[in-house]
Amino acid sequence: GDSVTQMEGPVTLSEEAFLTINCTYTATGYPSLFWYVQYPGEGLQLLLKATKADDKGSNKGFEATYRKETTSFHLEKGSVQVSDSAVYFCALMVDGGQNFVFGPGTRLSVLP
Amino acid sequence: DAGITQSPRHKVTETGTPVTLRCHQTENHRYMYWYRQDPGHGLRLIHYSYGVKDTDKGEVSDGYSVSRSKTEDFLLTLESATSSQTSVYFCAISKGLQETQYFGPGTRLLVL
Repeated sequence: GDSVTQMEGPVTLSEEAFLTINCTYTATGYPSLFWYVQYPGEGLQLLLKATKADDKGSNKGFEATYRKETTSFHLEKGSVQVSDSAVYFCALMVDGGQNFVFGPGTRLSVLP
Repeated sequence: DAGITQSPRHKVTETGTPVTLRCHQTENHRYMYWYRQDPGHGLRLIHYSYGVKDTDKGEVSDGYSVSRSKTEDFLLTLESATSSQTSVYFCAISKGLQETQYFGPGTRLLVL
C-alpha cells in the first residue's frame, strides 16, 4: 500500500541553522506530494506541494523537490526562525486515490 | 484561511456514551473529511463525503459513523465511545477529490 516515512524527531536547532527533514514514500501510482505544518494548538496548514517529478515546491523560505528516482520529498530551509517551531507532516495523494496518506510528523523546535 | 469550524473544540466523555462532533464550512467545497491524529501515526482518515448524503469509509472507520445532510455540515458520531477513541479529530475540506485539503482547528476528545 501507499505509505510515507519521515524522521519523527524531535529536531532541535538553533535560530538561523539549516533545516532538513527527510521524507520518503512508497506509492502504487504516481503521487502528488505535500508538506503540511501544524503550529501548536492549531490545525494543519498546507506549506508547499509538488505534482510531478523534478517539481520544486516553495513557500515561506521552505523548499522541497519531488525526486522520483529516490522516491523522496525532503523539506529544507536555509535559516530557521523560532517561529518555525511546529510539527511538519509529509503527505501524498495518488492519482485516483481517495485520500491523503500522511507521515507521522516531525516536531521541530528552534531555540533562540 | 478556509472557513472551517469544528465544535466542540474540547470534550471529555465516559466510555459507552455517544458523542457527535460537528464540522462546518463556509467555502461550499464538495468534499469533506474526518481524520484522527495520534502520536506516531500522523493523520488517519476515518470517513469522507463527496456530496450531500454521499459518504464512504476511510482507513479507520470502525466505531464511527458520519452524516452529511447539508453541503456545509459534516457530522462524526462515535456510537459508543471507547478509550481507544481518545484522540484529536480534524475535519478537512477540498474542492475536488485530489485537490489540496484545508483543515479545521481540531477537536480534542478524551474518553474516560
